Amino acid sequence: GAGVSQSPSNKVTEKGKDVELRCDPISGHTALYWYRQRLGQGLEFLIYFQGNSAPDKSGLPSDRFSAERTGESVSTLTIQRTQQEDSAVYLCASSLSRTVYEQYFGPGTRLTVT
Amino acid sequence: QQQVKQSPQSLIVQKGGISIINCAYENTAFDYFPWYQQFPGKGPALLIAIRPDVSEKKEGRFTISFNKSAKQFSLHIMDSQPGDSATYFCAPLYSGGYQKVTFGIGTKLQVIP
Repeated sequence: GAGVSQSPSNKVTEKGKDVELRCDPISGHTALYWYRQRLGQGLEFLIYFQGNSAPDKSGLPSDRFSAERTGESVSTLTIQRTQQEDSAVYLCASSLSRTVYEQYFGPGTRLTVT
Repeated sequence: QQQVKQSPQSLIVQKGGISIINCAYENTAFDYFPWYQQFPGKGPALLIAIRPDVSEKKEGRFTISFNKSAKQFSLHIMDSQPGDSATYFCAPLYSGGYQKVTFGIGTKLQVIP
């Protein structure tokens, strides 16, 4: 079956521009996570969506970052006024529910801010 | 507050050797202890996980050992192969309710022929 997909796979943008990253979770997965992975670093939690519950936004590093999810489907992560320190791989993961713990990751979007 | 401490950050092992990666945690409520494997250019994927009701779990060449009193668990890769070269992350969590998952910093394993 189809896994988690993300687009674009690579994005190069100029400092100050806005970018939008997309995540398509596995069909039927109600939980969706966004992480940031800087080069050679671990995974940094950004935001969590679970069904129609209020998302956990506690990991968003600044108000330039926002994310939306339509129901239990696609999610978009938006970074406004990008900065060079935003350069990283942005990973999306989904899981069947909040009580099923295995997370299935997409391949990530590599963002480079020049 | 560093809830999860993973070591070493990098590891070089000869083919056929044993790779050992450790994860120490602080939260005694954690009750699910997974290891994820990430190849370059890919997202992490669950490799093996353990619950605290057992002290060891083996799947093929991969074994998790769990030490509840020491609050740590480890991944052992027996007969390490070049194809095991990847980055490994621990990500313990509490299953009784939503809690954002804290991943370890990762261990980059290189298995040399």
